[in-house]
Amino acid sequence: AQTVTQSQPEMSVQEAETVTLSCTYDTSESNYYLFWYKQPPSRQMILVIRQEAYKQQNATENRFSVNFQKAAKSFSLKISDSQLGDTAMYFCAFMKHVTQGAQKLVFGQGTRLTINP
Amino acid sequence: NAGVTQTPKFRILKIGQSMTLQCTQDMNHNYMYWYRQDPGMGLKLIYYSVGAGITDKGEVPNGYNVSRSTTEDFPLRLELAAPSQTSVYFCASSTPGFGNSPLHFGNGTRLTVT
Repeated sequence: AQTVTQSQPEMSVQEAETVTLSCTYDTSESNYYLFWYKQPPSRQMILVIRQEAYKQQNATENRFSVNFQKAAKSFSLKISDSQLGDTAMYFCAFMKHVTQGAQKLVFGQGTRLTINP
Repeated sequence: NAGVTQTPKFRILKIGQSMTLQCTQDMNHNYMYWYRQDPGMGLKLIYYSVGAGITDKGEVPNGYNVSRSTTEDFPLRLELAAPSQTSVYFCASSTPGFGNSPLHFGNGTRLTVT
């Protein structure tokens, strides 16, 4: 069974600093997707970034980038120039096919990130 | 577009009561999902549907039922509420396309069973 582990329950940095959130996963599948979701206090689930396992190039979205190490099954999220609005829970998630094209997400336990002014 | 709409936003149930969590989407998505999020944890899949009339179990289906009579609606039914079902429930939808079609989430329903 696939598992996703986020080893940092909480992190805190000063505004404008860079922060890296860790994620490891376990799977025997060869093709899959990995995601980082942000959940602010509003409870909304917001997609931050995604990575396809077949792509060697690390995904980037503005201030957000990932370090994808397929052999090590590691998928960390780096937030550069952090902003107060980045304060949220961050979830790492693994996507596998279920059936007929449906997609099942397996989530980690989350990391609570606080950006201090 | 409203996206994925969940009602109610909050609900308190007594043990043994039943209720239906409503979910509707206006994006004509084939696939719909129900997840639950326990305090301090990630989301876990309860049920999913690949189209009207087709549903299947996820990781944690016990104590729940679903139906999908239309493309738009995917209600989740709790028949005999238990304290272990205290959680935040998220509905989501997507189009076909492995990994290329991100899930669109509703804003969740916070359910407390006492």
